[in-house]
Amino acid sequence: GEDVEQSLFLSVREGDSSVINCTYTDSSSTYLYWYKQEPGAGLQLLTYIFSNMDMKQDQRLTVLLNKKDKHLSLRIADTQTGDSAIYFCAEVGGATNKLIFGTGTLLAVQP
Amino acid sequence: NAGVTQTPKFQVLKTGQSMTLQCAQDMNHNSMYWYRQDPGMGLRLIYYSASEGTTDKGEVPNGYNVSRLNKREFSLRLESAAPSQTSVYFCASSALEGTEAFFGQGTRLTVV
Repeated sequence: GEDVEQSLFLSVREGDSSVINCTYTDSSSTYLYWYKQEPGAGLQLLTYIFSNMDMKQDQRLTVLLNKKDKHLSLRIADTQTGDSAIYFCAEVGGATNKLIFGTGTLLAVQP
Repeated sequence: NAGVTQTPKFQVLKTGQSMTLQCAQDMNHNSMYWYRQDPGMGLRLIYYSASEGTTDKGEVPNGYNVSRLNKREFSLRLESAAPSQTSVYFCASSALEGTEAFFGQGTRLTVV
């Protein structure tokens, strides 16, 4: 079945890089997404990557995809206190075509 | 530009009461979804509607019903609320199944 796993918590200092990791099980996933949830708010799409790509860069964000290991990561360069939030990875299940979310990683940025 | 609008934002129910959570989107999206978010469990899909006139069960449908009233609106009904349904509920929509989903602000429901 489809399953997406993330570590629950990450703490970094302001100005450092943050790397949030995600593993998924559905090898037929077509799209993989990163969403950000700020306190008391809904989820907002940060970035996405097609399954035929291995890297995507968007300003301070770098997404790496290792399809062989079914591993996705989100790197945030020069992390700011405003980046403190919960980050969710999500895959589109090849069989169901549904968005399957991970458990979310709480990123805490220390000043 | 409203996007996805959910009402109410907060609700407290007594066990056994019923209520309907409303969701509307103004982006002409075909697909709509209801998720619940619980600590340490991420978002779990309750029901979804791939297109107007269709609804299907997600991962955790028990205790819920849905109605896709028209293309814009997708409501979630709790017929007899239970404390296990205390959660934050999110409605989302996407142009097509599996494409970028846009989320509402959430409904925080407490069942006592």
